[in-house]
Amino acid sequence: DVKVTQSSRYLVKRTGEKVFLECVQDMDHENMFWYRQDPGLGLRLIYFSYDVKMKEKGDIPEGYSVSREKKERFSLILESASTNQTSMYLCVTSGSDTEAFFGQGTRLTVV
Amino acid sequence: GQNIDQPTEMTATEGAIVQINCTYQTSGFNGLFWYQQHAGEAPTFLSYNVLDGLEEKGRFSSFLSRSKGYSYLLLKELQMKDSASYLCAVRDRRGNNDMRFGAGTRLTVKP
Repeated sequence: DVKVTQSSRYLVKRTGEKVFLECVQDMDHENMFWYRQDPGLGLRLIYFSYDVKMKEKGDIPEGYSVSREKKERFSLILESASTNQTSMYLCVTSGSDTEAFFGQGTRLTVV
Repeated sequence: GQNIDQPTEMTATEGAIVQINCTYQTSGFNGLFWYQQHAGEAPTFLSYNVLDGLEEKGRFSSFLSRSKGYSYLLLKELQMKDSASYLCAVRDRRGNNDMRFGAGTRLTVKP
């Protein structure tokens, strides 16, 4: 069974904290993505990676960075969390010819 | 870049048929996906089209016309549990197979 696992389901952090969101997949997929989803705005791409140590900016990379040291793990980093980064964060993986598989999501609240 | 447009909201009656449209613009089309998302949950895969034509899966069908940049998701014999958001997503080969999502169509099924 396909597994995309995000490290936390719910997270509450303080403004200015450094936040790490982890995503691990067991499907040997090349492509991994981080999206945030907000009411009325849909899914917006933050960063994605198509290979180990490779990363590409999505539509809204400001305030975020990513790390992909191993194929199965893709981390999203909020260098200094702000209240406007309160959102649902979704990790997604896909092969070059497969559908995308979603993690369960992390609902992050920054206070 | 990619522009993906779909209606924001639709309402239909239980037992009826509903068609959700999606139009897109992309430089290196490499597949179109439909996902279903219930409130508070991660999206789940419904269908995948890469060639023109109709793909049928039980009560759900998806159609693609690459020349028109157009797809639709057809839901037959609507059930109350079909009330959800439906997301159209496009994969772009020229963007290292990044995936972009539409904002989603919120479908409400009424008795």
